[in-house]
Amino acid sequence: IAGITQAPTSQILAAGRRMTLRCTQDMRHNAMYWYRQDLGLGLRLIHYSNTAGTTGKGEVPDGYSVSRANTDDFPLTLASAVPSQTSVYFCASSESGTDTQYFGPGTRLTVL
Amino acid sequence: GQNIDQPTEMTATEGAIVQINCTYQTSGFNGLFWYQQHAGEAPTFLSYNVLDGLEEKGRFSSFLSRSKGYSYLLLKELQMKDSASYLCAVVDSNYQLIWGAGTKLIIKP
Repeated sequence: IAGITQAPTSQILAAGRRMTLRCTQDMRHNAMYWYRQDLGLGLRLIHYSNTAGTTGKGEVPDGYSVSRANTDDFPLTLASAVPSQTSVYFCASSESGTDTQYFGPGTRLTVL
Repeated sequence: GQNIDQPTEMTATEGAIVQINCTYQTSGFNGLFWYQQHAGEAPTFLSYNVLDGLEEKGRFSSFLSRSKGYSYLLLKELQMKDSASYLCAVVDSNYQLIWGAGTKLIIKP
């Protein structure tokens, strides 16, 4: 692994289903982030983690949860997906909260 | 509220120079980033400004004026591969990144 990876690349999901998007980084970065990107809107922060064991809410956290059990992994869970969660989801990491963020390739999620 | 404004779309000619502006109103300021994002891909880092002035990096330069809440990204000797969206993002007082919606740059031959 080099950098930051996300899985799956894309997914079509029925409304009401539970889904976990995976994110793994091998740069030993302390901070990790989940964003969603919708057409015409900027990247919007869903949740973040400044260090393993801690998480925080971003601008649009409702309907999403995260965990940070270790430095490398930062999964994002949709407990009960709704069509408004159709989006492209990017995971990112940085050495600390003010440093350059490096992005994963994204997950394109469609909720029907 | 916090706000970052960028033009939605710009068009320029191959070989020319283009300036993409970004104005911001945020709660505090701890730096400004520019990222490039090709269609269907992830954003990639271009530049970071925290002090006033111009930062030059090859064909790309970024300028910041904190008193005016203003930055621009200058791209010289445009190439077709520069066709992409350019995202401006400000680090606010809570050390979180606030993102603009991005400027789609179209390069014509």
